[in-house]
Amino acid sequence: EDQVTQSPEALRLQEGESSSLNCSYTVSGLRGLFWYRQDPGKGPEFLFTLYSAGEEKEKERLKATLTKKESFLHITAPKPEDSATYLCAVLHNNNDMRFGAGTRLTVKP
Amino acid sequence: KAGVTQTPRYLIKTRGQQVTLSCSPISGHRSVSWYQQTPGQGLQFLFEYFSETQRNKGNFPGRFSGRQFSNSRSEMNVSTLELGDSALYLCASSFGGGGDEKLFFGSGTQLSVL
Repeated sequence: EDQVTQSPEALRLQEGESSSLNCSYTVSGLRGLFWYRQDPGKGPEFLFTLYSAGEEKEKERLKATLTKKESFLHITAPKPEDSATYLCAVLHNNNDMRFGAGTRLTVKP
Repeated sequence: KAGVTQTPRYLIKTRGQQVTLSCSPISGHRSVSWYQQTPGQGLQFLFEYFSETQRNKGNFPGRFSGRQFSNSRSEMNVSTLELGDSALYLCASSFGGGGDEKLFFGSGTQLSVL
């Protein structure tokens, strides 16, 4: 069965302490992998789309990478405002979008 | 440009009742998707509508249904509510719904079933 697994479930960092979030998937016919950020009480907000292994995208302190089996969201020198739940989602060839359970990130000042 | 609007923001119902949730997509977006979000199951896909037609459906019972109007606004209905239906229901819109487009989410409707 197709699976999207995110790790760790929760991550606590000190401000400035860089780290990475992982999204591994077992999906046949991947059309794209998406990263979203969700703040409490709000809907997810789009961050990146990656389409093929080796692709990388950056936005401010965030950088997303993709291999054939997983994606990483690297956070460099995080700030408290980066605290949120980060969701990854994979899109199948049949347009089925499947989300992971998310990583809850807390950045302490 | 206004974002995706969902109403109501909060809803409390009792078991056996039915509920209708509303979603207004971003102007010009023709695809609307619905998701259920719970702490235990995460985000789960309910269905997607494009140009008033249901184009894709997740693994939910027939009690969950939806529709889309000619102005792309969408409604979702849940009949015979169960306690397990308590969740945050999210609506998302995109331009052509080609499947590889980013989704714009609303803030959701928090449904509590007592």
